Amino acid sequence: GQSLEQPSEVTAVEGAIVQINCTYQTSGFYGLSWYQQHDGGAPTFLSYNALDGLEETGRFSSFLSRSDSYGYLLLQELQMKDSASYFCAVSSGTYKYIFGTGTRLKVLA
Amino acid sequence: DAGITQSPRHKVTETGTPVTLRCHQTENHRYMYWYRQDPGHGLRLIHYSYGVKDTDKGEVSDGYSVSRSKTEDFLLTLESATSSQTSVYFCAIRRTGGFDEQYFGPGTRLTVT
Repeated sequence: GQSLEQPSEVTAVEGAIVQINCTYQTSGFYGLSWYQQHDGGAPTFLSYNALDGLEETGRFSSFLSRSDSYGYLLLQELQMKDSASYFCAVSSGTYKYIFGTGTRLKVLA
Repeated sequence: DAGITQSPRHKVTETGTPVTLRCHQTENHRYMYWYRQDPGHGLRLIHYSYGVKDTDKGEVSDGYSVSRSKTEDFLLTLESATSSQTSVYFCAIRRTGGFDEQYFGPGTRLTVT
């Protein structure tokens, strides 16, 4: 079967750095994306990796290792507004997407 | 703002009734998607469309049908609603150019009693 695994919950303090991991097992792979979703809201796009390596967008970075079927989202200088759920998603071909079950990030003051 | 609207935003319906959810986009994107979101399951793809009258099934398509007669509208129909279809439904479009990005609508909360 196809699956993406990520931790269900992560807790960190304001100003800290947190890493959310995602391992995937899919029949096809074109890229790994990350989305943020606040309670009651819609998912919003954060980043995309098609090739191995690190992509940086402000305080957020995303990493991909295709050989390990693994990626992570790195959030630096955590702020209270970063408290949300984070989803990894794989583009598995023919523009179909599979999402992980999400990681709830709690940022403590 | 990709200009995606969903209607209705909230609906309560009874078991056995048909329900249609509408997704409307204003930017002429080719790919459109319907997902459902349930606690502990993340987002699961129901159906998607890659053009007018071109649709395909996702991982949880049983009990759902879709239609796309115009580029801007993608309809999701629950033929005979069941309590297991109580969920939040999100429509999304795929943006092209650079990143492989999906942009989501605001969601429809559906309760089947």
